[in-house]
Amino acid sequence: NAGVTQTPKFQVLKTGQSMTLQCAQDMNHNSMYWYRQDPGMGLRLIYYSASEGTTDKGEVPNGYNVSRLNKREFSLRLESAAPSQTSVYFCASLGVRLSTDTQYFGPGTRLTVL
Amino acid sequence: RKEVEQDPGPFNVPEGATVAFNCTYSNSASQSFFWYRQDCRKEPKLLMSVYSSGNEDGRFTAQLNRASQYISLLIRDSKLSDSATYLCVVRAGSYQLTFGKGTKLSVIP
Repeated sequence: NAGVTQTPKFQVLKTGQSMTLQCAQDMNHNSMYWYRQDPGMGLRLIYYSASEGTTDKGEVPNGYNVSRLNKREFSLRLESAAPSQTSVYFCASLGVRLSTDTQYFGPGTRLTVL
Repeated sequence: RKEVEQDPGPFNVPEGATVAFNCTYSNSASQSFFWYRQDCRKEPKLLMSVYSSGNEDGRFTAQLNRASQYISLLIRDSKLSDSATYLCVVRAGSYQLTFGKGTKLSVIP
C-alpha cells in the first residue's frame, strides 16, 4: 500500500515550457487535491476533485489545469510555466482514519521555473 | 482577516519544556479541526483531530473553543523529535480544508 505517490520529485523548467505533474493513490479515496506551498504562504489549494469525473477550482487555479483520469489518478498541468509557479506541489487524497476525515499527502514535487 | 491564523514562531524551547500553540479561525461555520505536523522538506501528516471536549494523545493535548473560534495544541515534555512545523487546519465544507501557515518549533538539547 503505497498511499499517495507523485512524480517527478524534482523538476526544472524554463519559462514557457509545459509539464504535467502526476499523482496516484491506492487507498480508494474519492476526493483528491493539488496544493502549492511557498515560504511564508502556507499550503494553498489549486484544484480539487470531489469524485471521479468532477474537478473544481481552489484558491489559486490560474495557470493550471487538472485531469481526474480515473479514481486513482489526478494530474496537474502547467501549460506555460512562469517563474511565479516555482513552488513545492503536494497532491493529497481525503479518507477516513479513526472516524476522522484525514488528508493523506504525497511526498511533493519541487518545481523551479527559470 | 485570514481564514486560519497562527503565530509563525519560531518557538525555540529546551528539551522537557511545555509549549503551547494557538490558532484562530474566521469561519464560524467550520465543522472539523485538526493539527498537522510537517517536517522540513516533507509532506504534512495528521497529528491529531481536535474535538469540542478537548482531547489528549500522549504528550499532546488539543483544545477547541467554538465561541472564541480558537484552537490550541499543548506539547508536554518536549523531545528533540518534536521539532517540526505545526499546521492548524479547519474544514468548513465537505471537501476543502484550510491550512494555517504553520508554527515552527525547534526543541533544543
